[in-house]
Amino acid sequence: ETGVTQTPRHLVMGMTNKKSLKCEQHLGHNAMYWYKQSAKKPLELMFVYSLEERVENNSVPSRFSPECPNSSHLFLHLHTLQPEDSALYLCASSQGARPVDTQYFGPGTRLTVL
Amino acid sequence: QKEVEQNSGPLSVPEGAIASLNCTYSDRGSQSFFWYRQYSGKSPELIMFIYSNGDKEDGRFTAQLNKASQYVSLLIRDSQPSDSATYLCARTGDYKLSFGAGTTVTVRA
Repeated sequence: ETGVTQTPRHLVMGMTNKKSLKCEQHLGHNAMYWYKQSAKKPLELMFVYSLEERVENNSVPSRFSPECPNSSHLFLHLHTLQPEDSALYLCASSQGARPVDTQYFGPGTRLTVL
Repeated sequence: QKEVEQNSGPLSVPEGAIASLNCTYSDRGSQSFFWYRQYSGKSPELIMFIYSNGDKEDGRFTAQLNKASQYVSLLIRDSQPSDSATYLCARTGDYKLSFGAGTTVTVRA
């Protein structure tokens, strides 16, 4: 595996379900990110982890819960979501969390909440 | 005011022509600027980044930055049908990347 991988690629869940999204980076990076991309809207930064420490929680509802057990893995735990949470969820990683550090994106998880 | 503004398009150009994409940003503290390409249903992929005023060329792509005018652009020379995609402009002053909504480009064969 190379780059940034995400599983699952597609997920359909009910509002009462609990599910998790997984991201893994094989680039030796130290920073990882979760973004949400809704139709016709800019990518929205949700969470940032640098050296496994959360450095940003961008006013995200508590029904989204991130976890970063090590510098290569990032999870997004989902519970009691709403239909408006349906979107493409993208994971990214970068060497560090500095302005010069380019972020590389995974393929995304297409989430549909019924 | 949006942090990053782009014309949504679509921008339609004939094959072989130059596609010109524009982006403005509001935060004068912005340090780094990125252009990503996103095909329909796919994730963004980095095309170029630029930090300094002026032009930066990479193959058929040229990024231009004017910090005084808070303006960054992307030129695609010799446009190909495979360049048809949405192009995302992004800026950062720290680790938080702020994106525009993207410009959709269609290259006509």
